[in-house]
Amino acid sequence: EIVLTQSPGTLSLSPGERATLSCRASQSVSSSYLAWYQQKPGQAPRLLMYGASSRATGIPDRFSGSGSGTDFTLTISRVEPEDFAVYYCQQYGSSPQTFGQGTKLEIK
Amino acid sequence: EVQLVESGGGLVQPGGSLRLSCAASGFTVSSNYMSWVRQAPGKGLEWVSVIYSGGSTYYADSVKGRFTISRDNSKNTLYLQMNSLRAEDTAVYYCARSERGYNYALVYWGQGTLVTVSS
Repeated sequence: EIVLTQSPGTLSLSPGERATLSCRASQSVSSSYLAWYQQKPGQAPRLLMYGASSRATGIPDRFSGSGSGTDFTLTISRVEPEDFAVYYCQQYGSSPQTFGQGTKLEIK
Repeated sequence: EVQLVESGGGLVQPGGSLRLSCAASGFTVSSNYMSWVRQAPGKGLEWVSVIYSGGSTYYADSVKGRFTISRDNSKNTLYLQMNSLRAEDTAVYYCARSERGYNYALVYWGQGTLVTVSS
């Protein structure tokens, strides 16, 4: 099983700052099957990025993804108030599919 | 419009069984990859199971042998049969649909149904 480790666990930032979220895999992950999700309290997750670096429909361009192999990054260029949430990475190229434990982006 | 509506959650005793349903509209369940993902209270997301359009099924090790994913084409509904339930199975269970155009990432999600395993 591929273990995804996200860091930091909690990221405290002010609106307008840059957010960098990391997702590290225990073994190589196909970039094609690496996704990022955003989840707000009481809501289902929402797809942000797929294929490591492609934005899903309707996702603002302040969100970007990068990485390959075992190291992946989600970047929010300038955090907006609506971006404070929990972010999860997921790999689904190898079975079993796995999620990272999440990074909580909170208001500083 | 794509919609996924889960039902069937509730309180069940350890060792008991429960069947979750996910009624789909706006698309055909049997033509898509469909998954179950769960989230224990205050915890992160955990992938549970997937059924591919061809019928192949896969499970997380934590539920293998106890849970069964299936679908009813006539009802356009996805199911998760959960047996031998344990306290650690307590979670909100989401059904989700993968989208081919998104490299099969989970694009559509239901609102979730809560399963509580407790005596």
